[in-house]
Amino acid sequence: NAGVMQNPRHLVRRRGQEARLRCSPVKGHSHVYWYRQLPEEGLKFMVYLQKENIIDESGMPKERFSAEFPKEGPSILRIQQVVRGDSAAYFCASSRDRVRTDTQYFGPGTRLTVL
Amino acid sequence: GIQVEQSPPDLILQEGANSTLRCNFSDSVNNLQWFHQNPWGQLINLFYIPSGTKQNGRLSATTVATERYSLLYISSSQTTDSGVYFCAVPPYNTDKLIFGTGTRLQVFP
Repeated sequence: NAGVMQNPRHLVRRRGQEARLRCSPVKGHSHVYWYRQLPEEGLKFMVYLQKENIIDESGMPKERFSAEFPKEGPSILRIQQVVRGDSAAYFCASSRDRVRTDTQYFGPGTRLTVL
Repeated sequence: GIQVEQSPPDLILQEGANSTLRCNFSDSVNNLQWFHQNPWGQLINLFYIPSGTKQNGRLSATTVATERYSLLYISSSQTTDSGVYFCAVPPYNTDKLIFGTGTRLQVFP
């Protein structure tokens, strides 16, 4: 069974460009979560999506960041007009049921570097 | 919001030694997960443990939800155990994981 897949694994962008991060959950999982990890820190929750719906986006900055999980295809985290402070590892996770009652599995992450 | 504190923050061991990592959380939670982040950054699931004790090889974990803490035991440590260990909890009635501060473990041969 394939685990959570993320691509690209590494992404370099210049300030002002757009970054698009993709996540394919474990087959059969309909709950997707995005987390951000700054260097030498723990992971911070950004957003929770369930097929076509954003359930909780309380951890996502209001400006420049958006997320979607369409009916077909991977979940996308989009960062517009990137700034140096966006440099971080972005992890996607998925679960079969809501994480309050189920295990969450993480992908390998996308390392974003903003020059 | 909920606070999730881990101790010790850093741990240096020689191969073969045993260790206990602790996770304290400040409010009621639905469950608790332990993860190992290896030196390449990959997060590996260790335990899903809302309460009680579980064992998996050299690792075991105990959660006492009523007292708001969990312990991770590593026995006969190996160099491949090196990395950062995180506990993570979804606060009551939420569906997001709040990660602890982490314990960085270094195991030397």
